[in-house]
Amino acid sequence: AQSVTQLDSQVPVFEEAPVELRCNYSSSVSVYLFWYVQYPNQGLQLLLKYLSGSTLVKGINGFEAEFNKSQTSFHLRKPSVHISDTAEYFCAVSHNQAGTALIFGKGTTLSVSS
Amino acid sequence: GAVVSQHPSRVICKSGTSVKIECRSLDFQATTMFWYRQFPKKSLMLMATSNEGSKATYEQGVEKDKFLINHASLTLSTLTVTSAHPEDSSFYICSARVGRTNTGELFFGEGSRLTVL
Repeated sequence: AQSVTQLDSQVPVFEEAPVELRCNYSSSVSVYLFWYVQYPNQGLQLLLKYLSGSTLVKGINGFEAEFNKSQTSFHLRKPSVHISDTAEYFCAVSHNQAGTALIFGKGTTLSVSS
Repeated sequence: GAVVSQHPSRVICKSGTSVKIECRSLDFQATTMFWYRQFPKKSLMLMATSNEGSKATYEQGVEKDKFLINHASLTLSTLTVTSAHPEDSSFYICSARVGRTNTGELFFGEGSRLTVL
């Protein structure tokens, strides 16, 4: 079985500062990794995903993440955040078997202030 | 990207009544849909996997008689909360994946907020 740990429940940052949201996963098999963003009272939107290949993945809204197999991590980064990046961010893992759902971490609340 | 639509987005009901939430894939066929429940400031908890034309697969601890899931077509899955009680109040989100492989992202509906009085 897979599991996901998001190490920070809340991350407050100032506008234009860099940010890193941490994610570690546990799995005995190969997995796919995802980061989703959720704005209040809305569904989830995919930021980026890692399936294979280059370990540095670039997503939407200037976000990127790096897959580190040895550390079983998939941390999300953005060099300069905006107020509009304030949201809930979820890291998720999926087994590479067909029909498998995503298993989510508990989420990290990113609060960007001016 | 693919579009998943949920209806209703908000529903308020009295305790003891049943509520049906619809999840539709608008521009693709979804063999499998997933139902999640999200508590306030909590992660998404997978409730069940809905398979077109067959019975849903429920996660441990989820009452299948309480949360009835029907996936009658490749574009529609429904979740019925039967005899709802205040503790069933939550944000329910459905999702679907394009195609049968597991390499793609899950596309999520907008969510349905259920409030049971």
